[in-house]
Amino acid sequence: QVQLVQSGAEVKQPGASVKISCKASGYTFTTSYIHWLRQAPGQGLEWIGMFNPSSGSTSSSQKVQGRVTMTGDTSTNTVDMELTGLTSGDTATYYCASGYGYADYWGQGTLVTVSS
Amino acid sequence: EIVLTQSPATLSVSPGETATLSCRASQSVRSNLAWYQQKPGQAPRLLIYGASTRPSIIPARFSGSGSGTDFTLIISSLQSEDFAVYFCQQYANWPSLTFGGGTKVEIK
Repeated sequence: QVQLVQSGAEVKQPGASVKISCKASGYTFTTSYIHWLRQAPGQGLEWIGMFNPSSGSTSSSQKVQGRVTMTGDTSTNTVDMELTGLTSGDTATYYCASGYGYADYWGQGTLVTVSS
Repeated sequence: EIVLTQSPATLSVSPGETATLSCRASQSVRSNLAWYQQKPGQAPRLLIYGASTRPSIIPARFSGSGSGTDFTLIISSLQSEDFAVYFCQQYANWPSLTFGGGTKVEIK
């Protein structure tokens, strides 16, 4: 079965960076995009960006553009998302999800807390 | 950016009744709309894509309709496990995806 397993929770200071990993299994890794999304406590869902495992191409939202980097490794079926220059506004649960336009499968989420 | 507005914000329904949720787009998204269910502490789950197509594992009591700017999710004969938050999402201007603010379906 398709599974996306994310790395564990992180606590970071303002200005720091965080890297979250997403390991995919149960399907051919290069046939589906990986989206990154986040959800602040009690809030809705926000799309951050997308990684194409087949080509390595990426696209990100204007809100985080310049602060987000997404990379992938086809040998381990893993996609990493790094967000730099963290502020309290980046405190959220971060999800990876597979799919093209809609997200078929989701990771379990990674809580990132930004606090001094 | 395409803005999605969901209504109502909260819907109180008794088990066994039907819930009707609305999602309106600020411009046409054709049929490029999905619905998700999210329970507390869990990741969202895909319910509907292409405005009306249900993945095989999703029960038939969930149905989606609409195109252009107005969409509806209907949950028939609500079960206890259906009380959750529901989000709509557009992918008409992929890869940029946007979500509605959500509708919480609670027990009346």
